[in-house]
Amino acid sequence: QKEVEQNSGPLSVPEGAIASLNCTYSDRGSQSFFWYRQYSGKSPELIMFIYSNGDKEDGRFTAQLNKASQYVSLLIRDSQPSDSATYLCLSGGSYIPTFGRGTSLIVHP
Amino acid sequence: EAQVTQNPRYLITVTGKKLTVTCSQNMNHEYMSWYRQDPGLGLRQIYYSMNVEVTDKGDVPEGYKVSRKEKRNFPLILESPSPNQTSLYFCASSLWGQGLTSGGDNEQFFGPGTRLTVL
Repeated sequence: QKEVEQNSGPLSVPEGAIASLNCTYSDRGSQSFFWYRQYSGKSPELIMFIYSNGDKEDGRFTAQLNKASQYVSLLIRDSQPSDSATYLCLSGGSYIPTFGRGTSLIVHP
Repeated sequence: EAQVTQNPRYLITVTGKKLTVTCSQNMNHEYMSWYRQDPGLGLRQIYYSMNVEVTDKGDVPEGYKVSRKEKRNFPLILESPSPNQTSLYFCASSLWGQGLTSGGDNEQFFGPGTRLTVL
């Protein structure tokens, strides 16, 4: 059974701080990883994807992938209250993508 | 506008009464799938379809049926709903199945969700 583990949180950070969200995965065959943001009662929306070891930056977001450690993370710089949501990690690489259960992020003013 | 639509958005029904949730995408995507989301359990895939007339089970297929007669539509059928199928359901589509690429450009687009309550 392929597993994707995330700390459910909530992770609470002050406005302007860096939020660090982490994800570990069990399937060494996974080739690509996606971070989705989901507001309560809404559908998930893609923030970033990464498939190479190292860092990938997009605006305030940085995804980090370490395949040897089977670890992927998402950093959110200058966190804003509008970033408060649940963040889902998705492990691709198979026909049945595996989502983590999500980490709840709260950014307080 | 590129989108995935689902209907109905909300549905309250009773045990055993057959129902269908429709899903349609206008992006000419090959791959479509259904998920259910329950508190504390995250998103779990029910069924997926690689293309027309090609469907397969996901992680939690029991109690559900699907069909893919046209590329754009992928309905979810509950022949005899039970209370444990009360959940939030999402349809999603992407260019192709996740297993066919190591690239990250295969984004899944999600529908707005259907909140189903089975009494």
